[in-house]
Amino acid sequence: DQQVKQNSPSLSVQEGRISILNCDYTNSMFDYFLWYKKYPAEGPTFLISISSIKDKNEDGRFTVFLNKSAKHLSLHIVPSQPGDSAVYFCAARCGNTNAGKSTFGDGTTLTVKP
Amino acid sequence: KAGVTQTPRYLIKTRGQQVTLSCSPISGHRSVSWYQQTPGQGLQFLFEYFSETQRNKGNFPGRFSGRQFSNSRSEMNVSTLELGDSALYLCASSLVASGGALKAYTQYFGPGTRLTVL
Repeated sequence: DQQVKQNSPSLSVQEGRISILNCDYTNSMFDYFLWYKKYPAEGPTFLISISSIKDKNEDGRFTVFLNKSAKHLSLHIVPSQPGDSAVYFCAARCGNTNAGKSTFGDGTTLTVKP
Repeated sequence: KAGVTQTPRYLIKTRGQQVTLSCSPISGHRSVSWYQQTPGQGLQFLFEYFSETQRNKGNFPGRFSGRQFSNSRSEMNVSTLELGDSALYLCASSLVASGGALKAYTQYFGPGTRLTVL
């Protein structure tokens, strides 16, 4: 049973527009959520995170929204830039003692067209 | 500050052999985790080490093992390699494993070791 799901394998948007990447989870014990970006031949790079006690966290062009009742989170990128083209992974953690154990989704490939 | 380094970057082995991968965390980071990424799959958690002790383990067979040294460097070993072990193996380090501010738990990933089993 996959506990973190990214149902859209790919997303294509025009430069300057908003990119919305979605993620669903099933484990109600998850209390910390993260988004990573991955370029080919590189390891994932941390983007932004959110604790389960919040419903929104913003960092520059990146905003993460958490809807606990729906077990859903989303990453908004505004405005999208060609350099944002990468694979985006959603991840979730359960408790502080499991801080080193994250459960990842399968990723969404974002393509931003100039 | 240097990032997470992994060696080797690429490795080709044959079925039945064993392999050892190495990871050097960011200086000062004490937690090291290992993940496996196969084509079309997300990252699958293998195990986490903190202060030379395994703290968490994923659902992988006993052929997968690891250890951490006193300088926080970590190695993982895969014995009796199978074709399905072909994957990108990623190492991630974080400052603390528990008891600190949430930002201290952020995991920083290395570039990975691409293992091909023939």
